[in-house]
Amino acid sequence: NAGVMQNPRHLVRRRGQEARLRCSPMKGHSHVYWYRQLPEEGLKFMVYLQKENIIDESGMPKERFSAEFPKEGPSILRIQQVVRGDSAAYFCASSVLSGASYEQYFGPGTRLTVT
Amino acid sequence: GIQVEQSPPDLILQEGANSTLRCNFSDSVNNLQWFHQNPWGQLINLFYIPSGTKQNGRLSATTVATERYSLLYISSSQTTDSGVYFCAVDRGSTLGRLYFGRGTQLTVWP
Repeated sequence: NAGVMQNPRHLVRRRGQEARLRCSPMKGHSHVYWYRQLPEEGLKFMVYLQKENIIDESGMPKERFSAEFPKEGPSILRIQQVVRGDSAAYFCASSVLSGASYEQYFGPGTRLTVT
Repeated sequence: GIQVEQSPPDLILQEGANSTLRCNFSDSVNNLQWFHQNPWGQLINLFYIPSGTKQNGRLSATTVATERYSLLYISSSQTTDSGVYFCAVDRGSTLGRLYFGRGTQLTVWP
């Protein structure tokens, strides 16, 4: 059973460009979460999605960031007009609802560098 | 949001030593997970342990939910145990959103 997959693993963008990060959840998982790891802030929740629905986006910056999880295909985290402060590791996690359990499994992350 | 505090922030051990990592949280939780972030940056699931005790090889964990803390025990440490250990909790009412502690940086010397 393949784990959570993310691509690309490393992404370099110039300031002002767009970054698209992809996440394929584990087979059978219908819940996807995105987290960001900044050196001075630790791991922070960004957004929680189910297929075609954003459930909780309270951790997303108000501008330039968006996320989707379409009916078909991977979840996408999109960052428009990137700035140096967006440089970070972005992790995707997935889970399956089992009773009250939301145990999350993480992908290897995408390391975004903005030059 | 919920506060998650981990201690110690840094731990240096010689191979073969035992250690205990602690995670305190400020509110009742639905779920609690321990992760190991290896030197390559990958987050590895260690335990899903909202309450009780679990063991997996040289690692074990105990969560006392009523007292709002969890402990991770590492016995006979090895150099491959090096990395950052994170505790993360889910308050249940936040639909699975995990709140992470700042982690314990473990370095094991041969």
